[in-house]
Amino acid sequence: DIQMTQSPSIMSASVGDRVAITCRASQGISNSLAWFQQKPGKVPKRLIYGASSLQSGVPSRFSGSGSGTEFTLTISSLQPEDFATYYCLQHYSYPFTFGPGTKVDIK
Amino acid sequence: EVQLVESGGGLVQPGGSLRLSCEASGFTLYSYWMTWLRQAPGKGLEWVANIKQDGSDIHYVDSVKGRFTISRDNAKNSLHLQMNSLRVEDTAIYYCARGQYGVDPWGQGTLVTVSS
Repeated sequence: DIQMTQSPSIMSASVGDRVAITCRASQGISNSLAWFQQKPGKVPKRLIYGASSLQSGVPSRFSGSGSGTEFTLTISSLQPEDFATYYCLQHYSYPFTFGPGTKVDIK
Repeated sequence: EVQLVESGGGLVQPGGSLRLSCEASGFTLYSYWMTWLRQAPGKGLEWVANIKQDGSDIHYVDSVKGRFTISRDNAKNSLHLQMNSLRVEDTAIYYCARGQYGVDPWGQGTLVTVSS
């Protein structure tokens, strides 16, 4: 199985900060990666697919990059509604696997 | 509006069975792969299984193989997950989601609790 890691696991940030979350795969997965945001008690929401394509309706301050084994989710200017947990998902080979999550909380 | 509504969760003893359902609306189910995912209380997300449009291709995470069965009824716009030989570690919110890969959207989920 492909193992996914994320760093950091927890991040404290302020409104307006630029935030970058890294996701690494244990083997190359091309661009077969999606990013999800989950707020407490809520359903996960897809932000990015194909490693860098922005989901319709998602603010442009979110962006994704990377290919192969290393990927980054960037929030260019953190907003109050962005405090949440973020997960990456590889869908290159079965079983598909999520990263352990990165919690972004208020500094 | 695309909507997915899960049902069938509840409290079950270890070794028991449950059948989850997911009713789809706002889109034609037969056009999409469908996926089940889960999240244990306070834990991260886990991909569980998916099924091709016509049911001819199915995949499971190893921990549920031989115990869970994913199926679909396109005529009734519904997806199912038959869960047998349930274990305490299967306790989670179970979500259905549209698509094969970067799944979207997800339903609200149904809670399955396995406990004696």
